[in-house]
Amino acid sequence: DADVTQTPRNRITKTGKRIMLECSQTKGHDRMYWYRQDPGLGLRLIYYSFDVKDINKGEISDGYSVSRQAQAKFSLSLESAIPNQTALYFCATSDSGTANEKLFFGSGTQLSVL
Amino acid sequence: GQQVMQIPQYQHVQEGEDFTTYCNSSTTLSNIQWYKQRPGGHPVFLIQLVKSGEVKKQKRLTFQFGEAKKNSSLHITATQTTDVGTYFCAGRRGSGGSNYKLTFGKGTLLTVNP
Repeated sequence: DADVTQTPRNRITKTGKRIMLECSQTKGHDRMYWYRQDPGLGLRLIYYSFDVKDINKGEISDGYSVSRQAQAKFSLSLESAIPNQTALYFCATSDSGTANEKLFFGSGTQLSVL
Repeated sequence: GQQVMQIPQYQHVQEGEDFTTYCNSSTTLSNIQWYKQRPGGHPVFLIQLVKSGEVKKQKRLTFQFGEAKKNSSLHITATQTTDVGTYFCAGRRGSGGSNYKLTFGKGTLLTVNP
C-alpha cells in the first residue's frame, strides 16, 4: 500500500556494514512489523511493535534491532550485515481497533549483502 | 513454537482448471487470514476466517476453516491468468501477548498457462 512507505527500495552493501531500513506509515495504525521473505521460506517475523516504546522479538530477531521513534515510524537495523541476511524485507502495519486486524504491507526493500 | 504448514509449494495449471492450497497448523488457531502476493509485489490481504467450519466466497475463490480450527483451504475455480501469484495463509493463536501475532505459511506459488 502506498500508505506504508519503505526506504530504500533496493540496497547493496558489504559484509560488516551497518544498515538501516526505514518504514513510515500514514494510516494511523498503532501496530507495526518487520518481516523478511526468502524464496521457499515464506514470511518470517523479525520484530513487532504494538505502540511507541513497545518492542517485541519475532521468530528471527538475532542480528537485527529496531526502533519505534514515533507511531508512524519503525526502523530496522542490521548492526553488522552478513550475506545470509540477503533477503526481501517487508514492513507492515495493522490497526488493533479493527475486527480482522489485517496487515498492510509496504512495497519491500531488497537487500543484498556481499 | 507455532508452525503453519502450507502445501503444495508450487502449482502449475492450465487456464480454466481449478486450484487448491491447504494450510495446517500445529496448534488450534483463533483465526486465519489469507494473503496474495503478485510477482514482484507485496502481500495483500484477501480474507479472514474466524468460526469453526466457516466457509466464505469471493467470486471464484472459496475459503474454508476446519472444524477443529487447525486447518484451512483456498480453492480457486476456473483459474485465470490474473490469479498468478503466491498465496499465503497466516494463523493467529490467541487474542493477547505473543499469541496475537500472525504466523505465515511458506506460501503456494500458482502459475497459470494461458
